[in-house]
Amino acid sequence: LAKTTQPISMDSYEGQEVNITCSHNNIATNDYITWYQQFPSQGPRFIIQGYKTKVTNEVASLFIPADRKSSTLSLPRVSLSDTAVYYCLVIQRRGRRALTFGSGTRLQVQP
Amino acid sequence: DSGVTQTPKHLITATGQRVTLRCSPRSGDLSVYWYQQSLDQGLQFLIQYYNGEERAKGNILERFSAQQFPDLHSELNLSSLELGDSALYFCASSVGTEEETQYFGPGTRLLVL
Repeated sequence: LAKTTQPISMDSYEGQEVNITCSHNNIATNDYITWYQQFPSQGPRFIIQGYKTKVTNEVASLFIPADRKSSTLSLPRVSLSDTAVYYCLVIQRRGRRALTFGSGTRLQVQP
Repeated sequence: DSGVTQTPKHLITATGQRVTLRCSPRSGDLSVYWYQQSLDQGLQFLIQYYNGEERAKGNILERFSAQQFPDLHSELNLSSLELGDSALYFCASSVGTEEETQYFGPGTRLLVL
């Protein structure tokens, strides 16, 4: 079972780029990494997903290095509304299917 | 609005009791996932069903059980409740059984007194 580690919290200012890293050991080459955003009293909301190199969508980028021991969520030009908790999710597909969330990173964006 | 509905929104019960949480997935989604979120344990995957069959099992206690019905809605049954079962329970759904985007419901907040 993968163990995932995230920083507990991060601070940023509006307009800056924010990079949040998730460390995950023991994942296979076709295991997926997904990032979610969660606001208080709401369910998590999908941000981005990938399993290798780099993925970009309209709101974020996901970088996964060759050793796959970590992944980095990049949020360009954050705004106050990006203040939330961000979770990585590792989906292990080899053998027994397993889904493991990181402990979450609380991002605080200041004006 | 994700399109996933969960009932009830809030539930208060006593230790030793049994409760049932209900989830309706988005239209067209065949997979349903259940998660528990507590302050000290974070988001924990409990179980996944795909088209009525159990697909993956996580840290689900033996006192908990789930099923997915032919109309694809799912129920999570929690029995012999303990104080530590107090948490937010989320249901999520996805189109298939692999790595598609999961859409989360608003959650059911369970308080065990």
